[in-house]
Amino acid sequence: QSVLTQPPSVSGAPGQRVTISCTGSSSNIGAGYDVYWYQQLPGTAPKLLIYGDNNRPSGVPDRFSDSKSGTSASLAIAGLQAEDEADYYCQSYDNILIDSVFGGGTKLTVL
Amino acid sequence: QVQLQESGPGLVKPSQTLSLTCTVSGGSISSGGYYWSWIRQHPGKGLEWIGFIHYSENPYYSPSLRSRVTISVDTSKNQFSLKLSSVTAADTAIYYCARGYQLPKGWFDPWGQGTLVTVSS
Repeated sequence: QSVLTQPPSVSGAPGQRVTISCTGSSSNIGAGYDVYWYQQLPGTAPKLLIYGDNNRPSGVPDRFSDSKSGTSASLAIAGLQAEDEADYYCQSYDNILIDSVFGGGTKLTVL
Repeated sequence: QVQLQESGPGLVKPSQTLSLTCTVSGGSISSGGYYWSWIRQHPGKGLEWIGFIHYSENPYYSPSLRSRVTISVDTSKNQFSLKLSSVTAADTAIYYCARGYQLPKGWFDPWGQGTLVTVSS
């Protein structure tokens, strides 16, 4: 059971906007720690998508954005494309576990 | 552009020690405020952070694995290593090395391609 909870799967049609939630608690997201997002294409290593305050590494399109409220965070993907089909993970820090923690991952299917 | 590459045995017997090395290319392991990290992913499962090391500081381990983990750095070879002792089948996973920023509260980028380690007799 992951400390950060993500839906196992989400789906959307090309061109649509989808969101992936990441629900934590007062000892991680709710404590104000940053949330980071990774994309893992099939058979490859995770790749950083978003860090800090909605910052994207070079090469990550601005179709990807994140938001945070209370003990939850969300990754939004606008203008969905077939190449976005992947697993997505959130990550933060937990001050009770004193550990960097990941969500369980969400599989995005592009219909 | 920094790249990382894991290497080591793909098969380890139960109760033995898993040993992996990560070779960093395109940049010096002793430059900047980076934290060189190990993360694993059980087959078909999520990600689990193992620990990290800065070239001039003591390593930092996940509390859940601390009793079995050793991470070290060799600046002369631009490599860092992971040793996980007393392994069981539960340690079968893809092991990734990654560069960390502002750890333990920060992020990981980039990642190595990962190496599958199977624990079996």
